Amino acid sequence: NAGVMQNPRHLVRRRGQEARLRCSPMKGHSHVYWYRQLPEEGLKFMVYLQKENIIDESGMPKERFSAEFPKEGPSILRIQQVVRGDSAAYFCASSPRGNSGANVLTFGAGSRLTVL
Amino acid sequence: GENVEQHPSTLSVQEGDSAVIKCTYSDSASNYFPWYKQELGKGPQLIIDIRSNVGEKKDQRIAVTLNKTAKHFSLHITETQPEDSAVYFCAASTGGFKTIFGAGTRLFVKA
Repeated sequence: NAGVMQNPRHLVRRRGQEARLRCSPMKGHSHVYWYRQLPEEGLKFMVYLQKENIIDESGMPKERFSAEFPKEGPSILRIQQVVRGDSAAYFCASSPRGNSGANVLTFGAGSRLTVL
Repeated sequence: GENVEQHPSTLSVQEGDSAVIKCTYSDSASNYFPWYKQELGKGPQLIIDIRSNVGEKKDQRIAVTLNKTAKHFSLHITETQPEDSAVYFCAASTGGFKTIFGAGTRLFVKA
C-alpha cells in the first residue's frame, strides 16, 4: 500500500518560470491538503481539496498560486512566475475524510523547490 | 484564527534522559491534537495523537497529556535514544479540515 506520493522530490527553477508539483493521495483517501514549509519553520496550511473541488484555499497566496485535484490523476500545485521567496518544501497530505471527525493526515515526502 | 505555540524550539538531552515538549492552542473548539516527527529530508510522520475526551495517552516510550482548561498539551519521550533525534511538531484541529501546526522543536539526543 503505497503512501502519499509526491513528485518531483527536488525541482530547480529560475525566476519567472513555472513550477508544477504533483501529489497522489493514499489509496482510499479522497481529501488532499497542501502545506508549505520554509527553512527552519513549521508547516503552513495552503489549500484543501476534494476531487474536482477546492474546499478552502485561505492559506494560498492570491496571485501566481493555484491548485487542482481532477477526477482522474494526481493533485497539482502550480506556481507561476516563481520568485526566490517561493523556495521551500511543499508537502502534500491526504486523509480518508474531511469535515466530519478528526482528520488524521498522512504526509508525503515533500517536493523541495529551489528558485535561482 | 487558531494559533499553536510550541516550546522549546531546540532541546538537547543526554541519551536515556527524558524530553518534554509543550504546546498551547488558542481555539477552545480544538478537539484533536496530533504529534508528528520529521526526520531530515522526509515528510512528517504521525507518532501519537490525543482527542479532547481524554487527558493522557501512552504508547511505549512516548506519552501525550492534554489540559483543556489551560489549553495546553505536552509530548513526553522517556529513555531517549539517538534515533529520537528529529524535529517534532504539535498540531491542533477543531475536527474540520484545517490542522494548525506549531513551529517545531528540534530534538538532539547525545549518545
